[in-house]
Amino acid sequence: EAGVAQSPRYKIIEKRQSVAFWCNPISGHATLYWYQQILGQGPKLLIQFQNNGVVDDSQLPKDRFSAERLKGVDSTLKIQPAKLEDSAVYLCASSLDLGRATEAFFGQGTRLTVV
Amino acid sequence: GDSVTQMEGPVTLSEEAFLTINCTYTATGYPSLFWYVQYPGEGLQLLLKATKADDKGSNKGFEATYRKETTSFHLEKGSVQVSDSAVYFCALSAPGGSYIPTFGRGTSLIVHP
Repeated sequence: EAGVAQSPRYKIIEKRQSVAFWCNPISGHATLYWYQQILGQGPKLLIQFQNNGVVDDSQLPKDRFSAERLKGVDSTLKIQPAKLEDSAVYLCASSLDLGRATEAFFGQGTRLTVV
Repeated sequence: GDSVTQMEGPVTLSEEAFLTINCTYTATGYPSLFWYVQYPGEGLQLLLKATKADDKGSNKGFEATYRKETTSFHLEKGSVQVSDSAVYFCALSAPGGSYIPTFGRGTSLIVHP
């Protein structure tokens, strides 16, 4: 079974530039998450989708971050304009559905460096 | 809101030593508890989980017991190997948080030969 695919693996941009990350979840997984992981910290949820609808985006800085999940499959996360504090690893995860014991499957992440 | 607190790392051990990584939680409602592991260069993967009080999750020689009375889910292994070197994340999923996985900050484990 193919895992969660993310691209690119690494990205270096200057502040005020824009960047986009792509995620392809495991086939059949209805729930998709984007997490931000700053060095030395645990993953922090940015946004959660159930199929192509947003379940929770309360932690997403909406003035600069946006995300979409067209057709309930692939997803993109965009930052525009980027700030130095956006340097982090951006993790995409998917799960079969919502539920208290549901395992989340993670991609390898995209490491973003803003200079 | 829901939160997870883990012991700070790094934890440095010699091969075959006993491992404990402490984890405590705060949650609204009755959470499920998880340990995820992140090996160098890889994504997070589920190590074990427990869904109700006194349940013991186990995998690859690691164990953790869901203790409702102390709101804890400590990770243990009797004899660690060099290949166990990784970052370990405690996490919960609770109804008050719409079952969104909430993670601790992670604990780095370094095992020397």
